[in-house]
Amino acid sequence: AQSVSQHNHHVILSEAASLELGCNYSYGGTVNLFWYVQYPGQHLQLLLKYFSGDPLVKGIKGFEAEFIKSKFSFNLRKPSVQWSDTAEYFCACFSVNRDDKIIFGKGTRLHILP
Amino acid sequence: DAGITQSPRHKVTETGTPVTLRCHQTENHRYMYWYRQDPGHGLRLIHYSYGVKDTDKGEVSDGYSVSRSKTEDFLLTLESATSSQTSVYFCAIRRDRGGSTGELFFGEGSRLTVL
Repeated sequence: AQSVSQHNHHVILSEAASLELGCNYSYGGTVNLFWYVQYPGQHLQLLLKYFSGDPLVKGIKGFEAEFIKSKFSFNLRKPSVQWSDTAEYFCACFSVNRDDKIIFGKGTRLHILP
Repeated sequence: DAGITQSPRHKVTETGTPVTLRCHQTENHRYMYWYRQDPGHGLRLIHYSYGVKDTDKGEVSDGYSVSRSKTEDFLLTLESATSSQTSVYFCAIRRDRGGSTGELFFGEGSRLTVL
């Protein structure tokens, strides 16, 4: 069955530190991949997405992610985090032309120290 | 905004009572999803719909039923609520542009507490 793994459950960083959150998926076919962000008390919002083409995708607020097909990975990065990036981050996978399910990872809670 | 609303936003109920959560969209999208969010589990798919009267199960469908009698409304029902169903429930619509992309837009969530 399709699954998504996020390696880090809770990450604490200081402002200006660099960020990388890991995400791996387990489906061998064509996938669309997403990162969503959930700020405290809010609903999930799309951060960035990968459908095809350039494996390095840029999203909002300076975030980017790299799709590495050989590693089944879609890691999220940001060169310099801000206190306002404190949130929970979810990776999600949609298997194109297979079924209609969108599966999420368990999330990574990011806490940025001012 | 995605034009998706959930009701009620907060509900406290007792074990054994039925509960229905409503998801309403204004954009006429075919696909709608119900997830539950719990600490340490992320978002887990309960049920989804791919059209009027067309639904299918997700990862954690036991104890839940859904109905979609019109495009704009997707109802999630707990026939007999249990404490393990205390959670935050999110509805999402899949806004496909030029094909099936899987991109979701979420409602504000419904916080359910079962005592």
